[in-house]
Amino acid sequence: QQQVKQSPQSLIVQKGGIPIINCAYENTAFDYFPWYQQFPGKGPALLIAIRPDVSEKKEGRFTISFNKSAKQFSLHIMDSQPGDSATYFCAASKGDDKIIFGKGTRLHILP
Amino acid sequence: DVKVTQSSRYLVKRTGEKVFLECVQDMDHENMFWYRQDPGLGLRLIYFSYDVKMKEKGDIPEGYSVSREKKERFSLILESASTNQTSMYLCASSSLDEQYFGPGTRLTVT
Repeated sequence: QQQVKQSPQSLIVQKGGIPIINCAYENTAFDYFPWYQQFPGKGPALLIAIRPDVSEKKEGRFTISFNKSAKQFSLHIMDSQPGDSATYFCAASKGDDKIIFGKGTRLHILP
Repeated sequence: DVKVTQSSRYLVKRTGEKVFLECVQDMDHENMFWYRQDPGLGLRLIYFSYDVKMKEKGDIPEGYSVSREKKERFSLILESASTNQTSMYLCASSSLDEQYFGPGTRLTVT
């Protein structure tokens, strides 16, 4: 019940396309859903996060869509660029508890 | 800017050696974490600490121990390194929701 399931494991998209990464969770007590971005040779860094009281959050070209009833959330990258090529992790947590990470998606944007 | 630093970027050790991985954060964060990252397995939590001298086991603590004598420093110890501990090790700190990660230490055990 503590798992966060992430798909796909890898994704290749043409420049300008809209990659979509999906995550699902089971624990309805989770109340914070962040996405982390990791470039090669670097540690992950927070990209965008959402709480379950809203269904969508946008920051620049990045959007989280959240479906509370389905216990799913997804990351969309509009007008994707080669510089967006990275590994993306979804995650979930409740209160001050530890963060549970998905297994990651390696995204490659073709120029 | 929050900064989390790790003592080494790359480390090569022999089987059976005792290995110390050091992590220091400069933002006075209460919480610190050690993860290992392996292809296809994502980030797996080894140990975490919510305060000085406190430690909690994560999902994969076997073969590891930790030390937190000062608030800013969290050390991961491999008591007797084994080849299956070859991995990328990531340290993180947090005060509220967001975790700040260090650049990682790529450890190879031969």
